Amino acid sequence: GENVEQHPSTLSVQEGDSAVIKCTYSDSASNYFPWYKQELGKRPQLIIDIRSNVGEKKDQRIAVTLNKTAKHFSLHITETQPEDSAVYFCAPGGSQGNLIFGKGTKLSVKP
Amino acid sequence: GAVVSQHPSRVICKSGTSVKIECRSLDFQATTMFWYRQFPKQSLMLMATSNEGSKATYEQGVEKDKFLINHASLTLSTLTVTSAHPEDSSFYICSASLQIRQDQPQHFGDGTRLSIL
Repeated sequence: GENVEQHPSTLSVQEGDSAVIKCTYSDSASNYFPWYKQELGKRPQLIIDIRSNVGEKKDQRIAVTLNKTAKHFSLHITETQPEDSAVYFCAPGGSQGNLIFGKGTKLSVKP
Repeated sequence: GAVVSQHPSRVICKSGTSVKIECRSLDFQATTMFWYRQFPKQSLMLMATSNEGSKATYEQGVEKDKFLINHASLTLSTLTVTSAHPEDSSFYICSASLQIRQDQPQHFGDGTRLSIL
């Protein structure tokens, strides 16, 4: 089955700095790569996703880059704000349409 | 569009009780829904794939006789935790997508926090 690893597990940055979270996966058949943000006690919210026919996608302060050869994709958040503090999960798509979640990264943005 | 409603949001009950959780797709039909479980400070773990009109597919280590899944219509899947015990206390969350394709976004319900006393 798919093996997903996410690093780092915790990340603390100053407001305004950038944050990068990396996700590696093992299933070469995966072709969908989303990132979710989860606040305490709430459901995961899709913040950005990328499909395997593109290498980079950007949405305002958030970007995702994909290296399918190396089997990893990364989340980039620029100009971080305190409200970006949350747990972020990568979840490459499984062959049955399900998602395989990484262990999560707790991001803390200090004012 | 693509709203998934999950009910109830929170359940507190005694050990041995069976608990039913509903997951509804409000504005689209979902032939497949997914059930996840999340323990505190951990990731979401897929429990089972719910298929409309057929048996659910369970992940390794998930007891199908304990976690009963029924997907009787294109907009409703239910998860029943039978004879729940304290170790079943967790955050249960469902998801569905508009199409059963690997590259389609999944839409999550708000989750159900189950506490077994």
